[in-house]
Parts: sequence; structure tokens; C-alpha cells
Amino acid sequence: QSGLTQPPSVSGSPGQTITISCTGGSSNIGAPYDVHWYQQLPGKGPTLLIHENVNRPSGVPDRFSGSTSGTSASLTITGLQAEDEAHYFCQSYDNTLTASGVVFGGGTALTVL
Amino acid sequence: EVQLLESGGGLVKPGGSLRLSCSASGFNFRTYAMHWVRQAPGKGLQWVSGISASGGNTKYAESVEGRFTISRDNFMNTVSLEMSSLTAEDAAVYYCVKGVVPAAGAANWFDHWGQGSLVTVSA
Repeated sequence: QSGLTQPPSVSGSPGQTITISCTGGSSNIGAPYDVHWYQQLPGKGPTLLIHENVNRPSGVPDRFSGSTSGTSASLTITGLQAEDEAHYFCQSYDNTLTASGVVFGGGTALTVL
Repeated sequence: EVQLLESGGGLVKPGGSLRLSCSASGFNFRTYAMHWVRQAPGKGLQWVSGISASGGNTKYAESVEGRFTISRDNFMNTVSLEMSSLTAEDAAVYYCVKGVVPAAGAANWFDHWGQGSLVTVSA
């Protein structure tokens, strides 16, 4: 598939660990092309959270980690905090797209209970 | 500190035109591709257009090809998106986004985003 699929929502309690999946196909994650993750706080623009599957930009807490396996990627947040409540988007490159190849997941809303 | 400040959004009638601008600062602007990504209300992110660092190569999503034009001014550190023949499907928040490589079409990610500019298309 040329798109990336994320669960619409996940939830967890403070201190817990949650994982958000991003499922693609052989033309993107499985090719393999790198996966990147963005966090969008309520009412704000997205910010880069993870790039090239596992790398955190400066300032991103190490509670956030990324991984890939086959045609899927995952974002894991450990020690969940109230401030983590946001939307999370995965992004990759797809070699079937004729323009830029940029493909985003539909996004996952994280609720901290 | 990298800053991307969009302007030019607003209300436009179906079939109308609008020009978005983005003023960039805090990095070597002429070294990186710049992009526009949009987000319809309550929806996900959609890449719209990208322009290479030199401005010599532009890319467009199929849904806007022929209606939108991206351009940049490497002296003024600005990137613009000229939008025409707008429809309700174009209504969204438009984000100015910085790439991490000079090429517009390369497999890369976006390390800085603006706050967005709202485009509303309604009669």
C-alpha cells in the first residue's frame, strides 16, 4: 500500500508506556525508506520528534523512541506525562508517488487519562 | 533559532485565488528545500508542494498540479504559494516547512514547521 496506517487513537495513564504503530508496505517502510515522527500539540503546528527511524532531535526527551520492523514502524513513549497528550504522525517516502514521494500517516490522537 | 512565519491566509470564494507567504530566519535559507504541507480541519497532514534550494526544481501534489505555484526568493528568505481555482477541498491550515536537504523530491523529513495559515474557501 502507498499510504501509512495509524490507529486513530491510543490512551494511557501517567507513568505508563504506550506504542503507536505505523503500517506501510513494500514501496515505503518496507523498501526500506526511513520513518519520521511528528508531534502536534493542541492548536500548534507539528514538531519533529524522531527522524530516520530512531534519532531524536536535540531537546526531545529520551522517553520517546522509534523503531521499525519490516513494513511497520512504532513510536514508543515511556513514563507517559500529561504534556504528551497530542496528535502523532508518521511520515516516510513512497517510490510509487510521482511528485515528492512524501507520505504521512493519518495521525494518532494520544489521550493521557 | 529557526523561525517560519506564514501570512496571507483568509477567506476566499470558490474559484478564487490567494497567495501565501512564509518568511524564514535563523538558518541558511538558500541551502534547503522548502515545502508547504496542509491540514484540513480535523484531518491529517498532506504534502502540497516543494521547491529546491536553488528554486530550479518544483514539485506538486497531484491534487494541486496546475492550480498552485510555489516560488522562493533567496535574497529575502521567503517562500510563497500562489493558489488559484480554489475549491472547498483546498480549505486547510497551510504550514510552511523546512526540508533537511537541498532537493525538493528527495526522501527526507521536515525539521521545522511554521504555525500555519488558515485558508477558508466559502461563498
